[in-house]
Amino acid sequence: QVQLVESGGGVVQPGGSLRLSCAASGFSFSNYGMHWVRQAPGKGLEWVAFIRFDEVNKYYGDSVKGRFTISRDNSKNALYLQMNSLRDEDTAVYYCAKRGLRGHYFEYWGQGALVTVSS
Amino acid sequence: QSVLTQPPSVSGAPGQKVTISCTGSSSNIGTGYDVHWYQQLPGTRPKLLIYANNNRPSGVPDRFSGSKSGTSASLAITGLQAEDEADYYCQSYDANLREVFGTGTKVTVL
Repeated sequence: QVQLVESGGGVVQPGGSLRLSCAASGFSFSNYGMHWVRQAPGKGLEWVAFIRFDEVNKYYGDSVKGRFTISRDNSKNALYLQMNSLRDEDTAVYYCAKRGLRGHYFEYWGQGALVTVSS
Repeated sequence: QSVLTQPPSVSGAPGQKVTISCTGSSSNIGTGYDVHWYQQLPGTRPKLLIYANNNRPSGVPDRFSGSKSGTSASLAITGLQAEDEADYYCQSYDANLREVFGTGTKVTVL
């Protein structure tokens, strides 16, 4: 079965950096685009970034553009999110999610990694 | 920040039907992009409930159904059960913003 397991969350000061990882299994990782989605405490879902299966295209939400970088290593079935210049408002649970087979939706989600930006 | 609007909450007694609306615009739902729905039980990850307007993934009960018309979409839950108490989010694609979510709706079973 599909499994997505995030790691790398934690507490970081404003202006700091953090790198999230997502280990994928149970499907042909190199054939699917992947997303990061976040959810601030008590708030709704916000799309963060997308990477195509072959890394040719990467897209970002306006609130993270220029600060976050999505990448992947298909040889390791791994997805990454490098987060720089972190702000208080980046505090959230970050989910990795597999792109839907038939369109722009999120077919499977990881359990999430909590990132807390605080001094 | 959400570009799709949902009612903050809906409620119903066990066995009743509830409907959640999702209102977009000409740059997303109105352009013809599909609408998808997610269920998030308390303290858990979101789960895909409906994809491409009215399709249920394997394992999702047929009590859940979706529809789309114009710039809006709806999720209906018939035969409401206590286990359906959760937050529900619609999601679509926007020509300017890419993937966008609804504001979320909390369903309460009375």
